[in-house]
Amino acid sequence: DTAVSQTPKYLVTQMGNDKSIKCEQNLGHDTMYWYKQDSKKFLKIMFSYNNKELIINETVPNRFSPKSPDKAHLNLHINSLELGDSAVYFCASSQDETSATYEQYFGPGTRLTVT
Amino acid sequence: DQQVKQNSPSLSVQEGRISILNCDYTNSMFDYFLWYKKYPAEGPTFLISISSIKDKNEDGRFTVFLNKSAKHLSLHIVPSQPGDSAVYFCAASVGPPGGYQKVTFGTGTKLQVIP
Repeated sequence: DTAVSQTPKYLVTQMGNDKSIKCEQNLGHDTMYWYKQDSKKFLKIMFSYNNKELIINETVPNRFSPKSPDKAHLNLHINSLELGDSAVYFCASSQDETSATYEQYFGPGTRLTVT
Repeated sequence: DQQVKQNSPSLSVQEGRISILNCDYTNSMFDYFLWYKKYPAEGPTFLISISSIKDKNEDGRFTVFLNKSAKHLSLHIVPSQPGDSAVYFCAASVGPPGGYQKVTFGTGTKLQVIP
């Protein structure tokens, strides 16, 4: 029973295209995140949402737009894709920070390759 | 500016021996630390955490040690098993991690446990 799922797992596309990555969690968590792991394996947060509200928005180009239709979903839309966007994107979720459980549960990742 | 550093990109250990993975941080405001394990083509999974009010936390074969004065933490795995072969990420946050407190990850150490 998948806790955090992402689709697609692999995405190959050309520069200039617009693409979306979907994420769903069935853990009942309040908070969801998007992380980017670049070629240097550096895992860096991009966004976090708490109960559909944007909480963290790191210095990410505005070509990246997260959308949370409900608490269980956080999608990532990327406009005008560039070569530098090639990376593995991980979705994650966690309980509210007032919970004793602080770990984040990660999806399997989406490997995006921009050609 | 990499605030969480794992200076050893890889480590090889014989099965049954102790594995010690190290992590240094520069931000003295960090007060909550986590270790995640990642297998290829999967997302990171939570392993163990420690808050700055402690200097040691143990969970089965895994123990995390925190030295606040040195801004250093380490993960000990005893005894090491082949299934422990993975990439281990150290992570830190200011305050309990959650939607409002971003988690900063290191670049990971690849552990290989040799049978």
